[in-house]
Amino acid sequence: AQSVTQLGSHVSVSEGALVLLRCNYSSSVPPYLFWYVQYPNQGLQLLLKYTSAATLVKGINGFEAEFKKSETSFHLTKPSAHMRDAAEYFCAVSDGSITGFQKLVFGTGTRLLVSP
Amino acid sequence: SAVISQKPSRDICQRGTSLTIQCQVDSQVTMMFWYRQQPGQSLTLIATANQGSEATYESGFVIDKFPISRPNLTFSTLTVSNMSPEDSSIYLCSVGRGRRETFFGQGTRLTVV
Repeated sequence: AQSVTQLGSHVSVSEGALVLLRCNYSSSVPPYLFWYVQYPNQGLQLLLKYTSAATLVKGINGFEAEFKKSETSFHLTKPSAHMRDAAEYFCAVSDGSITGFQKLVFGTGTRLLVSP
Repeated sequence: SAVISQKPSRDICQRGTSLTIQCQVDSQVTMMFWYRQQPGQSLTLIATANQGSEATYESGFVIDKFPISRPNLTFSTLTVSNMSPEDSSIYLCSVGRGRRETFFGQGTRLTVV
């Protein structure tokens, strides 16, 4: 079975500050890992994904995440927060099979608050 | 990419009634997935819908409560039956493109009163 733990239901940063959203996973097989963003009253948008290639993954909107197997982590970072980054962020894992890739197990989400 | 249209986008329903949510994809896909997002919580997979076969339900979800149809490769419906306030959630359908990406619809925001 796979699972994802997101530490911190809310993270508050000032505009221009570093964003760090934490995600730890548990998987019995090599995982595929994802970060999704959900803006208010909208669906989910993929930020980035790790699929066993480069451990440092760059995504959209200036976000990146690093896969660390030894720490079972896949934390999301952005050097400088913008007001428009305020949203809910979800980490997700799948087992990488053809069907598993599409069947995701989500974390509980972290709401990012950005203050001027 | 895939464009997914869900209808309705939101609804307010009386307890004891049923609501059918439609999911239309702009291209053919083998599998479609239905998720539930309860207020303030994460997404939980309800079931996987394959064309031409019965849906596969995750633990805690049953066909009598959430019947699913998948009549062709671009369309699926999820029915929330005999609704109670606990069913108030956002329901999302998703599709995948092999291993490349999973796409989500905008969701259906359901409130049961």
